[in-house]
Amino acid sequence: GDSVTQKEGLVTLTEGLPVMLNCTYQTIYSNAFLFWYVHYLNESPRLLLKSSTDNKRTEHQGFHATLHKSSSSFHLQKSSAQLSDSALYYCALSDQTYGNEKITFGAGTKLTIKP
Amino acid sequence: GGIITQTPKFLIGQEGQKLTLKCQQNFNHDTMYWYRQDSGKGLRLIYYSITENDLQKGDLSEGYDASREKKSSFSLTVTSAQKNEMAVFLCASSPGLGGFYEQYFGPGTRLTVL
Repeated sequence: GDSVTQKEGLVTLTEGLPVMLNCTYQTIYSNAFLFWYVHYLNESPRLLLKSSTDNKRTEHQGFHATLHKSSSSFHLQKSSAQLSDSALYYCALSDQTYGNEKITFGAGTKLTIKP
Repeated sequence: GGIITQTPKFLIGQEGQKLTLKCQQNFNHDTMYWYRQDSGKGLRLIYYSITENDLQKGDLSEGYDASREKKSSFSLTVTSAQKNEMAVFLCASSPGLGGFYEQYFGPGTRLTVL
């Protein structure tokens, strides 16, 4: 079945430094949809950005990610971390194949930004 | 816009007890989901439902039952609570199934079993 790997469980950075959270995935289907969800403390998880287009950069709220089907990756990046970026980030995968419409989430990366 | 509400916010139970969690959405979405959130394990799908009275098992359905009697509500029952179990249960809804559709999440129910 589908799987999503987020290698880093915990990432701690100093404010102002660049952010990169890794996400790789496995699926036998070519029509993959990749998502990043963010879960701030005491809030509900919400969608940060999504993509299904190979090699196209997707941006939202200062974060960006590019889906690379050749390497099965969808890393989340930001040029300069802010204290308010501290949260739990989930990478997720879905596809349009009938009978396999569930979203598969990775284990999550807890990002902590320090002053 | 819309909102997803989950009740109760905190649930404390005893070992072996049957416990029910409730979820309501006013998005008028067809698809609803129940996830379990454990630290280091991500969000694991317990049950989902693509329409009223439909139920589909996820990867973690053993030990749980679900019910979708109305389009707007989706309940989850822990059939026999396990001692020392602690987890957050998240309900979500989506206008469609899988693919490119965004999932909208509720605030969660935090379960503690004594």
